[in-house]
Amino acid sequence: DTAVSQTPKYLVTQMGNDKSIKCEQNLGHDTMYWYKQDSKKFLKIMFSYNNKELIINETVPNRFSPKSPDKAHLNLHINSLELGDSAVYFCASSQYGDYEQYFGPGTRLTVT
Amino acid sequence: AQSVSQHNHHVILSEAASLELGCNYSYGGTVNLFWYVQYPGQHLQLLLKYFSGDPLVKGIKGFEAEFIKSKFSFNLRKPSVQWSDTAEYFCASLTGGGNKLTFGTGTQLKVEL
Repeated sequence: DTAVSQTPKYLVTQMGNDKSIKCEQNLGHDTMYWYKQDSKKFLKIMFSYNNKELIINETVPNRFSPKSPDKAHLNLHINSLELGDSAVYFCASSQYGDYEQYFGPGTRLTVT
Repeated sequence: AQSVSQHNHHVILSEAASLELGCNYSYGGTVNLFWYVQYPGQHLQLLLKYFSGDPLVKGIKGFEAEFIKSKFSFNLRKPSVQWSDTAEYFCASLTGGGNKLTFGTGTQLKVEL
């Protein structure tokens, strides 16, 4: 039983393309997150949604647009991909106020 | 803005050696602290967490961490490491009332047989 799942696991694409990464959690949590892990393994939060409402929006280019159709799903759409977008993107979920976050397996995005 | 510092970027140990990984946080108010582990090719897993109470926290797989408020530290320890502990270790903090985890830069631990 996968708690937090992401698709795809690997994504290789060319500069300028638009791509989406999907995340689903079956933990019944009401808050979901996107993190970016760069080539030096540094993890930084990008967005967070609570009950489909955006609550954290870090300094991220507006080419990145999160969408939460319901509280179990949080997708990340990236327009006009750039080389610097290459990273591993992790989705996570938690119950708001519970603090412990559960992470998905990550999506390795490579932009060529 | 709060920050988390991990001073050891790469650590190499032999099996059975003792481990201590440093973590310092900058926030002076109420803070929740975590250690996460990322095994090669896998997602982050929670090792242990500190919210309040006993400053010595025990986690999974024999790990423990000590919260020392006066030093703004939350160092991770294990008395005897195993080859299977080879992984990346991340310290993280969460300020009171928020859900935003701030991660340190990680420490890559390699345990040699």
